[in-house]
Amino acid sequence: NAGVTQTPKFRVLKTGQSMTLLCAQDMNHEYMYWYRQDPGMGLRLIHYSVGEGTTAKGEVPDGYNVSRLKKQNFLLGLESAAPSQTSVYFCASSYFEATNYGYTFGSGTRLTVV
Amino acid sequence: AQSVTQLDSQVPVFEEAPVELRCNYSSSVSVYLFWYVQYPNQGLQLLLKYLSGSTLVKGINGFEAEFNKSQTSFHLRKPSVHISDTAEYFCAVSRYNTDKLIFGTGTRLQVFP
Repeated sequence: NAGVTQTPKFRVLKTGQSMTLLCAQDMNHEYMYWYRQDPGMGLRLIHYSVGEGTTAKGEVPDGYNVSRLKKQNFLLGLESAAPSQTSVYFCASSYFEATNYGYTFGSGTRLTVV
Repeated sequence: AQSVTQLDSQVPVFEEAPVELRCNYSSSVSVYLFWYVQYPNQGLQLLLKYLSGSTLVKGINGFEAEFNKSQTSFHLRKPSVHISDTAEYFCAVSRYNTDKLIFGTGTRLQVFP
């Protein structure tokens, strides 16, 4: 099925460990995004990409890096995980079609840093 | 920069009663507006969106929202709620010709029997 796929769905990390979250979309969307969701704070934008080979910082970029080597994939990396990065991470992609415009979200990755 | 304010963090309501979830935004340019719903332990589902045209937008599950440019609001309404509407609701905004969707902090709708 077409959509946004996030892997893994769950992960527990120890403080200081590193990991990469993968987001893949098969809709040929140009724009992709990484958000984190924390209780009472809604979704906050970490990084985003407006096309293959480009990335930009969002509201809360510190402690994260991203890469968009292929149009369909957007990777989110944590170099040295901290307990403050315990969160649910959502990836999204967006499209612009004449008078239509929208976003497709993945199902999320629940990350716990202990 | 644009921002979104959801004034009510929680809204309790009895089943079959009407409900309004409030959303205000600030932006110096025209915007697109969205409402998403998140059921427990699930991802985000689009309820409705306003891009242009009629200011009254109808969405899924009987929800509707009205865009009010003068009051910079996009309140979500449903005339009669069900237990199954219990969820968290997020208002979001993006600007024309840009690519970032900015979310409010969410409103938890709790429907009681």
